[in-house]
Amino acid sequence: EVQLVESGGGLVQPGGSLRLSCAASGFTFSSYEMNWVRQAPGKGLEWVSYISSSGSTIYYADSVKGRFTISRDNAKNSLYLQMNSLRAEDTAVYYCARSGYSYGTTYNWFDPWGQGTLVTVSS
Amino acid sequence: DIQMTQSPSSLSASVGDRVTITCRASQSISSYLNWYQQKPGKAPKLLIYAASSLQSGVPSRFSGSGSGTDFTLTISSLQPEDFATYYCQQSYSTFFTFGPGTKVDIK
Repeated sequence: EVQLVESGGGLVQPGGSLRLSCAASGFTFSSYEMNWVRQAPGKGLEWVSYISSSGSTIYYADSVKGRFTISRDNAKNSLYLQMNSLRAEDTAVYYCARSGYSYGTTYNWFDPWGQGTLVTVSS
Repeated sequence: DIQMTQSPSSLSASVGDRVTITCRASQSISSYLNWYQQKPGKAPKLLIYAASSLQSGVPSRFSGSGSGTDFTLTISSLQPEDFATYYCQQSYSTFFTFGPGTKVDIK
């Protein structure tokens, strides 16, 4: 069964740091691009970051660029999000999601998603 | 960045109703449009990819159409388990963006 399990969320003070992890199983992790998506309480979905299968290509949303760092360890089947200089507006459930592609095309989507981990930034 | 809008933001419908949700992109995204369903406290679930392709395991009452800037998600006969929030997402740009969501609740 394809599965993604996030961990590392919690309560942190403004300006603090937190590292999220996403453990992958049931598929060849090193072959897939991965993403982080967040959802503030009662709000919609916001894409946060993307990393290619090798880790050589990375993108960030403007809202987190310069503060968050995405990385992966293909030997450990794990995805990470290092979050620094956290702000109240970073409070959200953070999901990891695998990128999927239609064979022979460049159409892509997010599937599956993990269950999410809650990050709360508050003093 | 590509902006996504959805309409309506919410709707009330009855079991058996035909429901249509619209998504619009701020620029042409060809068919790089996905639809997700999210229930309270749960992760989003992929329903439709590439504008009109049904994800494996998703009931055939869900369908998607459109290309360019205008897209629709249609539920042909609303079932009790379909009450949820629906999001569109563009994957034309790697700076992926989601629509604000459409909440479908019970009339």
